[in-house]
Amino acid sequence: AQKVTQAQTEISVVEKEDVTLDCVYETRDTTYYLFWYKQPPSGELVFLIRRNSFDEQNEISGRYSWNFQKSTSSFNFTITASQVVDSAVYFCALSLYNQGGKLIFGQGTELSVKP
Amino acid sequence: AAGVIQSPRHLIKEKRETATLKCYPIPRHDTVYWYQQGPGQDPQFLISFYEKMQSDKGSIPDRFSAQQFSDYHSELNMSSLELGDSALYFCASSPASRGESYNEQFFGPGTRLTVL
Repeated sequence: AQKVTQAQTEISVVEKEDVTLDCVYETRDTTYYLFWYKQPPSGELVFLIRRNSFDEQNEISGRYSWNFQKSTSSFNFTITASQVVDSAVYFCALSLYNQGGKLIFGQGTELSVKP
Repeated sequence: AAGVIQSPRHLIKEKRETATLKCYPIPRHDTVYWYQQGPGQDPQFLISFYEKMQSDKGSIPDRFSAQQFSDYHSELNMSSLELGDSALYFCASSPASRGESYNEQFFGPGTRLTVL
């Protein structure tokens, strides 16, 4: 069975701190895709990144970076120099190749960045 | 750029009533997904359509039905509403060909359904 676990339910940091959101996934498939979405208080789901299982290169986009390690089935997300606007719920998600694209979400991590 | 449109944005219904949620995908996207997000929960996949045919089904109650029309918009019909149906309902569209997973899903703003 496929599963995504985000063990951190809530994280609270002070502005300008770095913060890492953990994501661990389970699947027996060899071809799969991992995603991160941001859900601000307004409720919409904002796409942040997609990574396929054959690409373990880390990625950096501005203050955001992602670390994908197949050996530990983890796809962690780091925000550097956090800002109040980063406050949101962050979801990690998994989809399997040839399974129609449905996303399996983790439970989400609520990040609160205080000024 | 055009985004996924969902209507209505908010809906209040009484128990046992019916509700219809609409989703208009991004132009030229042929795949539509529906998700249900309960309070404090993660989104749960309900159903998806590719080229107007149901392509996958998740934990969708029998009281719910959905379809995708010739113009690719989709409707989620919910009957005999229960208090537990109160949730945020997301529609997402994808330019996927044959529902291949590597394409990202673009989410609409959601419809917040409240059942009283």
